[in-house]
Amino acid sequence: EVHLVESGGGLVKPGRSLRLSCTASGFNFGDFSMSWFRQAPGRGLEWVGFIRNKGYGGTREYAASVKGRFSISRDDSKSIVYLQMNSLKTEDSGVYYCCRVGGDYSVLPHFFDYWGRGSLVTVSS
Amino acid sequence: IVMTQTPVSLSVTPGQPASISCKSSQSLFHTDGVTYLYWYRQKSGQSLQLLIYEVSRRFSGVPDRFSGSGSGTDFTLRISRVEAEDVGIYYCMQGIHLPRYTFGQGTKLEIK
Repeated sequence: EVHLVESGGGLVKPGRSLRLSCTASGFNFGDFSMSWFRQAPGRGLEWVGFIRNKGYGGTREYAASVKGRFSISRDDSKSIVYLQMNSLKTEDSGVYYCCRVGGDYSVLPHFFDYWGRGSLVTVSS
Repeated sequence: IVMTQTPVSLSVTPGQPASISCKSSQSLFHTDGVTYLYWYRQKSGQSLQLLIYEVSRRFSGVPDRFSGSGSGTDFTLRISRVEAEDVGIYYCMQGIHLPRYTFGQGTKLEIK
């Protein structure tokens, strides 16, 4: 059974950094691209970015709102995908979800087949 | 792109059917021949669960009482016979106008 468990969330001051982890199990992690979403209070889900699996170069794509501040990486030996968040702003507050990319895609994924329960990040002074 | 779901909530007697509508402000049909419309459910305290992909394809492990239909901008999720375990919030999502993966506002299914 596929499981994705996020960790590392918490309260952080504006301008500081935080790293989220997503530990995967139940599938061959290295064969899949992985993605992050977030949801601010009272708002819809917002795509943050994704990282391709090594077979597709392990490259990354990011939403414009986080590009240059956030970075996604992966450790296939541990089945973990990370979201490094730097220069955090209050508007980065929300629940962050890790998910597995589903199906085939050419540039960006079309959908995501398994999701974690999320990790709460609060950016506040 | 805006995804509009109706109804916002519905209360269904076990064994009865249920239907949720999802309308997109732009067509979800791609020139590759695929319509990128998905249905998810979120139970309280749990993660999003994929039910239907590409309009009508049931995801692994999803009971066959769940079915999806539609084309272009109008889509429907149907549950042929609602069971108690089907409670939750149902969302449609478009996967064509990227990277703005847009979800509907959700439909809360309750059991009478």
